Amino acid sequence: EAQVTQNPRYLITVTGKKLTVTCSQNMNHEYMSWYRQDPGLGLRQIYYSMNVEVTDKGDVPEGYKVSRKEKRNFPLILESPSPNQTSLYFCASSMSPTTGGPIYTQYFGPGTRLTVL
Amino acid sequence: GENVEQHPSTLSVQEGDSAVIKCTYSDSASNYFPWYKQELGKRPQLIIDIRSNVGEKKDQRIAVTLNKTAKHFSLHITETQPEDSAVYFCAASVDTGFQKLVFGTGTRLLVSP
Repeated sequence: EAQVTQNPRYLITVTGKKLTVTCSQNMNHEYMSWYRQDPGLGLRQIYYSMNVEVTDKGDVPEGYKVSRKEKRNFPLILESPSPNQTSLYFCASSMSPTTGGPIYTQYFGPGTRLTVL
Repeated sequence: GENVEQHPSTLSVQEGDSAVIKCTYSDSASNYFPWYKQELGKRPQLIIDIRSNVGEKKDQRIAVTLNKTAKHFSLHITETQPEDSAVYFCAASVDTGFQKLVFGTGTRLLVSP
């Protein structure tokens, strides 16, 4: 079954304790992205990756890191989490779009609800 | 950068009524406009999308219209059903070789039986 998975689904942690949220897709997608969802703010892009070893900042990258060492995985790293990073996080993936070509649907993972105390 | 505004933030309708959600965008270069539905506790899922070379697109009870001159696009749901209750997000993207979606703030639709 084609899918995007995230782990953990729920996480409660304390300020300053490094954590990693994993994202994996089995659809051989080149493009992967991380969003955070906050009430009244919609979904905001944190980082995205066009392919292995190619990543770039989205709209709200402060306090986050990512890596793309393998095509299927795109972990989100919070080196020193703070309470303002309490949020619902979604990973998404799609085939890599090309200018003027077809636009591919972004498939979202199930979400990770993070609480930083 | 792109900014997408979405209205209303909440919408309550009776079953069978129509529902309309409106979005405006700021970047005239945006040319791809998807709509996502997010049920409670679930992930966002694409329900319909439109590219800028099309003014309207329909899929059964759902339609999207686009006015490029005014930079706004709308989602229309006819004959609403309780299972349409969800949060709906619009988004805009510029087709520059990568799909950077900028989302609206969402509309919570409640369909009462």
